[in-house]
Amino acid sequence: SAVISQKPSRDICQRGTSLTIQCQVDSQVTMMFWYRQQPGQSLTLIATANQGSEATYESGFVIDKFPISRPNLTFSTLTVSNMSPEDSSIYLCSGTPGLARNEQFFGPGTRLTVL
Amino acid sequence: QKEVEQDPGPLSVPEGAIVSLNCTYSNSAFQYFMWYRQYSRKGPELLMYTYSSGNKEDGRFTAQVDKSSKYISLFIRDSQPSDSATYLCAMRVNNFNKFYFGSGTKLNVKP
Repeated sequence: SAVISQKPSRDICQRGTSLTIQCQVDSQVTMMFWYRQQPGQSLTLIATANQGSEATYESGFVIDKFPISRPNLTFSTLTVSNMSPEDSSIYLCSGTPGLARNEQFFGPGTRLTVL
Repeated sequence: QKEVEQDPGPLSVPEGAIVSLNCTYSNSAFQYFMWYRQYSRKGPELLMYTYSSGNKEDGRFTAQVDKSSKYISLFIRDSQPSDSATYLCAMRVNNFNKFYFGSGTKLNVKP
């Protein structure tokens, strides 16, 4: 299994600012993903973080709003840009050890509140 | 229509009860079915997964898939207060990485 940590664990931000969330895995993972989770809602996939290339975004999410980096097999960042109160949510990163695998290991999440 | 539907609960049961958690889905192409458990302020963790139809047992947990009805279940026997968490079903199509999650069912096991 892989252990995933995220920084920060929570933050309160002002409208119009940006926040970068870091995701660190203790071992190499093939795939990394970023999700958003509203209270009582399912996990919504934002994008797949691809090592050394541009992330693959899901419908409704764009690179200008959620730029993602993945410089190596153990680290990724998600930036939430030009934030509005609608961006208040929990952001989770996850990793899988291989392609098309059922095991996804999740970080503890970053709880973001935008005022 | 959502791809995966799950009753949000909350579901409250006494310790020792048998718990049944369920999801329905609309995409007949789903072939892998997972159950994740999420404690408060933690990320989800994989409990178990099944491929296609049938049952799978792991200790007190049994997962069932009925593809003809597009219905999956997780049974917890002899439930414990430590089982109190939100349970999320997830599914994916073979050879694809994207998971489709249910909204989660919050379970409370009372001592």
